[in-house]
This record gives sequence, structure tokens and C-alpha cells, in this order.
Amino acid sequence: EVQLLESGGGLGQPGGSLRLSCAASGFTLSNYAMNWVRQAPGKGLEWVSGISGSGGSTHYADSVKGRFTISRDNSKSTLYLQMNSLRAEDTAVYYCARVRSTFYFYYAMDVWGQGTTVTVSS
Amino acid sequence: QSALTQPASVSGSPGQSITISCTGTSSDVGGYNYVSWYQQHPGKAPKLMIYDVSNRPSGVSNRFSGSKSGNTASLTITGLQAEDEADYYCSSYTSSNTLVFGTGTKVTVL
Repeated sequence: EVQLLESGGGLGQPGGSLRLSCAASGFTLSNYAMNWVRQAPGKGLEWVSGISGSGGSTHYADSVKGRFTISRDNSKSTLYLQMNSLRAEDTAVYYCARVRSTFYFYYAMDVWGQGTTVTVSS
Repeated sequence: QSALTQPASVSGSPGQSITISCTGTSSDVGGYNYVSWYQQHPGKAPKLMIYDVSNRPSGVSNRFSGSKSGNTASLTITGLQAEDEADYYCSSYTSSNTLVFGTGTKVTVL
């Protein structure tokens, strides 16, 4: 069964760091670009970051550029999101999603994880 | 990059058809055919319903269809069913080399 499982969410301090992980199973991760998408409580979806299948190309929303880093370890079938300089407005459910392309993050996302909750508060 | 504009809510009776609009600019919806639609039930992850403006993934009911005219994309649901009650989001590639989602539409089946 094709599946994505996020972990690493929790309570983070303003200005602090968290690292999210997304474990893929049932398919070869390196064949797919991947995205992180978040949803603040009661709000809509927001694209956060995308990465090509090889990891050689990364892209970020302006709201997280310079603070978040997306990466992947295809040998471990795992996607990551390193979140630094956390702000209250980063509070959200974070989803990882598989893209219908090896190279281009902006194609449609056909498999989604269940999400992991990040709360930024002192 | 501002979110694409969707109506906050759309409703219809069982069996009816409804259309959800998604309005952007020539720098996103109007400039590319990378428009997707996602369905999200409360507390659940989004589900892909339409990709590349008008294509349906395997397993998605043919009651769902997509189209685009100028800077506005649309999702039409025909033969509305109770299970279609959910939030719907459009997304598009942008000229800034980013992805942008719509504001979201809550579909209510009366």
C-alpha cells in the first residue's frame, strides 16, 4: 500500500527549531518530487516547500524562505523539513505529499500523509 | 503570492450540479495548465480530484470535472451526493516558481 507517514511535530518555542520527517512506503521515493503543505487551525491550505526526486532542486514559499529547509534521503525513503526561527504563525498541521512528477514540484499531489501538528508557543 | 479566490461556500440539493470557481491572474491560473483540485473532509488529508485543469485520477468519480477559461478555473460536481460535502481547494503553479492554493470552498449538500 502506498503510504506517507509524518512525524516530528509538537510544541516548539518561538525562535526555536523542529525537524519533521515523512516516511514513504509502497513506492520508490526517488521517482517522485515531494511537497510540504500546511494548514493553520481553521484555515486553508498553504504550500510550504517542494523538492525534486533527486533532491537537487528545492523551492520555498516566501513565508518560510531562509528559515525552513527541505531535504530527502532516498536511501531511507524519508523526506524532511527542518524548521528554524519558528514563529507563532508557523502553527499548523503539516502534510507531506507525493507529486505526479519526478522533477517538477508543481505538478498535482496524488498521495498525502495524515499530517503532523506543529504548535509554536512559549 | 496571494491566494486564488474561491467562493466561501456553495450548496446544492442531492442530484443537482454545482460549480466552484477559482480566480487568479495571468501569472498563475491563466498562464499555466497546472491547475489541480483537492477535496478535504473534516480532520482528513486532502484528496486529489482533478489535475492539469481537467484530468481525473483513477478512482475519482466521473461526476467531477474541471475546466478553465482565462484566469478562472472551475470544478463542477454533477449528481451531487451527501458524501461530496467537504471543503474544496484549487491550486496553481505561478510565474514566481511557487505553488498557490485557493481560499477554499465549503460545499454543503442540502
